Amino acid sequence: DSGVTQTPKHLITATGQRVTLRCSPRSGDLSVYWYQQSLDQGLQFLIQYYNGEERAKGNILERFSAQQFPDLHSELNLSSLELGDSALYFCASSRRETQYFGPGTRLLVL
Amino acid sequence: QKEVEQDPGPLSVPEGAIVSLNCTYSNSAFQYFMWYRQYSRKGPELLMYTYSSGNKEDGRFTAQVDKSSKYISLFIRDSQPSDSATYLCAMIYPGNQGGKLIFGQGTELSVKP
Repeated sequence: DSGVTQTPKHLITATGQRVTLRCSPRSGDLSVYWYQQSLDQGLQFLIQYYNGEERAKGNILERFSAQQFPDLHSELNLSSLELGDSALYFCASSRRETQYFGPGTRLLVL
Repeated sequence: QKEVEQDPGPLSVPEGAIVSLNCTYSNSAFQYFMWYRQYSRKGPELLMYTYSSGNKEDGRFTAQVDKSSKYISLFIRDSQPSDSATYLCAMIYPGNQGGKLIFGQGTELSVKP
């Protein structure tokens, strides 16, 4: 158990819908990262927050957004969902260089 | 060309074999190197973490970094069926990038009893 929690574990929704994925980092970790893992693209960095502020951005679509709250939990919002957004979404947290991953949210868009 | 290249396998070995997993990378500025293990699309689990060149050993696992060749390796001694998983190499993107990880494609390993 990495200490990083993610909810929900599974999500099935329809195209055009909006969903919110939630992540709670390990106790004491200020950085939260979001990654997307699809079969053809592998693990891809989406966005990082550090102590409530956006720190780095990857190839995150404009339809996706994230935030980190004062209690350090983070939410990833995915809107206008498309079939191609079906993937595993992982959250990771870190205190220094090493990142610890949560169990992921499996998103299926039908 | 991808920044990090890793043979996806699959790699199948008998129990007790020594396993060698490798990645090459193109950006000479990478300094932090990790190996993660991922079981069946579960969350990646950090196995080894090394900084710069050299070797690091932890139980049956040894990580090697050769920065001159831009090549990193993970060796697993006395492999067990429970080692069957996908192994991902990862590197921290250098510069003001907030520590994001760049991953290889992952190598699928199967250890047969």
